[in-house]
Amino acid sequence: EVQLVESGGGLIQPGGSLRVTCAVSGFPVSNNYMSWVRQAPGKGLEWVSVIYISGSTYYADSVKGRFTISRDNSKNTLYLQMDSLRVEDTAMYYCARESGAPFVGWFDPWGQGTLVTVSS
Amino acid sequence: SYELTQPPSVSVSPGQTARITCSGDALPKHYAYWYQQKPGQAPVLVIYKDSERPSGIPERFSGSSSGTTVTLTISGVQAEDEADYYCQSADSAGTYRVFGGGTKLTVL
Repeated sequence: EVQLVESGGGLIQPGGSLRVTCAVSGFPVSNNYMSWVRQAPGKGLEWVSVIYISGSTYYADSVKGRFTISRDNSKNTLYLQMDSLRVEDTAMYYCARESGAPFVGWFDPWGQGTLVTVSS
Repeated sequence: SYELTQPPSVSVSPGQTARITCSGDALPKHYAYWYQQKPGQAPVLVIYKDSERPSGIPERFSGSSSGTTVTLTISGVQAEDEADYYCQSADSAGTYRVFGGGTKLTVL
């Protein structure tokens, strides 16, 4: 069964760091494009970052230089390291498989999300 | 930065047809995708590659593309279709993924 399970969210102070995790089952993260997408409370979806099969990574301008996407193929797990967190980073963070490579593809399936709250 | 533009809201009565548009300059270059999101749930893919429907998605959901605009059409809308709908595509270079602002579909 294909499943993505996020964890690691919580309450963190501005300027702090947090790492969220996406445990994947049913397919290898190493052979797929994987993305993080976030959604602030009551707002729309915002793409955050992608990691390609090659290991190349890309980030939205709003998180570039502060967030790092990575994967552990042996654990079949995707990570998002978030540093220098800001109040505006408060959101539900979803991981998703991206299909349709090598072109920009569609996100399916999605995890259930993990909530990150940045507040003093 | 590149943007995809959707109407904030669309309202239809049960059984009618709902059309949700998404506009962006790079849409002629890249496929568009559509997601349905109900409160408290993760998004669900309903259309991929402009007009393809994933397995398990009802036939009343369809997609089309014309120039810089793509359209999600829901024929014979049902109460269960009430949700937020998001389009997604890429910037001109095909590097950054982009979502539209979302459209709230209300079934009257």
